[in-house]
Amino acid sequence: GQQVMQIPQYQHVQEGEDFTTYCNSSTTLSNIQWYKQRPGGHPVFLIQLVKSGEVKKQKRLTFQFGEAKKNSSLHITATQTTDVGTYFCAGGGSEKLVFGKGTKLTVNP
Amino acid sequence: DTAVSQTPKYLVTQMGNDKSIKCEQNLGHDTMYWYKQDSKKFLKIMFSYNNKELIINETVPNRFSPKSPDKAHLNLHINSLELGDSAVYFCASSRGIPLYGYTFGSGTRLTVV
Repeated sequence: GQQVMQIPQYQHVQEGEDFTTYCNSSTTLSNIQWYKQRPGGHPVFLIQLVKSGEVKKQKRLTFQFGEAKKNSSLHITATQTTDVGTYFCAGGGSEKLVFGKGTKLTVNP
Repeated sequence: DTAVSQTPKYLVTQMGNDKSIKCEQNLGHDTMYWYKQDSKKFLKIMFSYNNKELIINETVPNRFSPKSPDKAHLNLHINSLELGDSAVYFCASSRGIPLYGYTFGSGTRLTVV
């Protein structure tokens, strides 16, 4: 079945440093979505990418979808303490989203 | 107004008991889901309903039975609870199969003792 691998599992940064999490699928995806889950909270939808090679930005966050639609990345520039949480990618197939295992980001002030 | 609401937020129960979790969405979405998040934060889909019709039924013990009385509600009933059922259960909804972002409820933390 479809699998979505996400790395790294954990990332600890100093405030102001950049952060990147990567997502790879075993199959071509129809779309990729990104979610953020704050500690003790629920996943919150951030963005969806649909087109091959697509790049979208939300303030300090940059999302990319690979040319082959099998990989994606989320990059945060100059992290802040408000960025802490677990970031999940989720790959869209024909019927369901398959979530990666997430990258837990901690930020040292 | 809460978009996707789940009750209860916390549930502590003994092994062997039967319990239900309720979910309601007021977004007008036609697809609803149940996800299980284990202690390692892995989000695994359990069930999906589209307009009250079951469309995804992952490999879940048949002690778990979803029910969707209408497209705004999706409940989860669990029989004969086991220790391994302890997890956070999230309800979610979306406009359709998976081309749109999901809106998650705040979760139900189930602890089986």
